[in-house]
Amino acid sequence: GAVVSQHPSRVICKSGTSVKIECRSLDFQATTMFWYRQFPKQSLMLMATSNEGSKATYEQGVEKDKFLINHASLTLSTLTVTSAHPEDSSFYICSAYHLAGGNNEQFFGPGTRLTVL
Amino acid sequence: GQSLEQPSEVTAVEGAIVQINCTYQTSGFYGLSWYQQHDGGAPTFLSYNALDGLEETGRFSSFLSRSDSYGYLLLQELQMKDSASYFCAVRGGTGFQKLVFGTGTRLLVSP
Repeated sequence: GAVVSQHPSRVICKSGTSVKIECRSLDFQATTMFWYRQFPKQSLMLMATSNEGSKATYEQGVEKDKFLINHASLTLSTLTVTSAHPEDSSFYICSAYHLAGGNNEQFFGPGTRLTVL
Repeated sequence: GQSLEQPSEVTAVEGAIVQINCTYQTSGFYGLSWYQQHDGGAPTFLSYNALDGLEETGRFSSFLSRSDSYGYLLLQELQMKDSASYFCAVRGGTGFQKLVFGTGTRLLVSP
C-alpha cells in the first residue's frame, strides 16, 4: 500500500528558532502533497498545497513567510516553521494522493508534534 | 464558505451498531470521504462516496445523498478498537484533490 512518512515525529524547540519537517512518499510519486495542522481535540485544518517544482498554494489566513514549503522532488515536501512561537505548537500532518483500488485516496503521514517553549 | 458538521461525541457498547452523520455546505463537491484517527495517530482512509447510495466495506458502510448534502458512516459489530475520532471530508471547493474536514466525532466503545 501507499506509505507516507514524516520526520521528525516529535520536536521541541525554543521560541524564535526554525523547525523543518519532512514528508516523504515512500513507494509512489506525489506531484501534490498537502500540509495540515491539528490542535488538540480539533479537526484537521488545511494549511497549504505543495506542488512539485512550483510554489505552494496557501489557504486563507496562513502566513506563507512563516510556513515555508518546498517540494523539491516527487517524493519529498518540507515544511519549515520559521521563528516559531508557543502558539505554533501543534500536530502537523502531511498527505499525498495515490490511486488505490480505483479511488483517489489521500494517504497521511504519521504526523509531527511540535512543541515550542 | 465551506462547513461540515458532525456530532461531537457518540457512545456505544461492543457489538452494537452506530451511525455518524455529516451534513455539509461547500462551493464545489466531488465526493465525501471518511477517515478514522486514533489519538496521536494519522488519519486513515475508510471510504469514499462520489455518487448517491451506500458503499459497504466490511463492518463499515458509508452513505451519501447529494441532494440533501448529507452522508453518514455506519459501523457495525463495534469493537473496542473502534474507539477513535471519525472525520467526514469533502473533496471539492477550489480543487478536486483538496479535502475539507468535518468537525469530527469521537466514538467511545465500552464493554
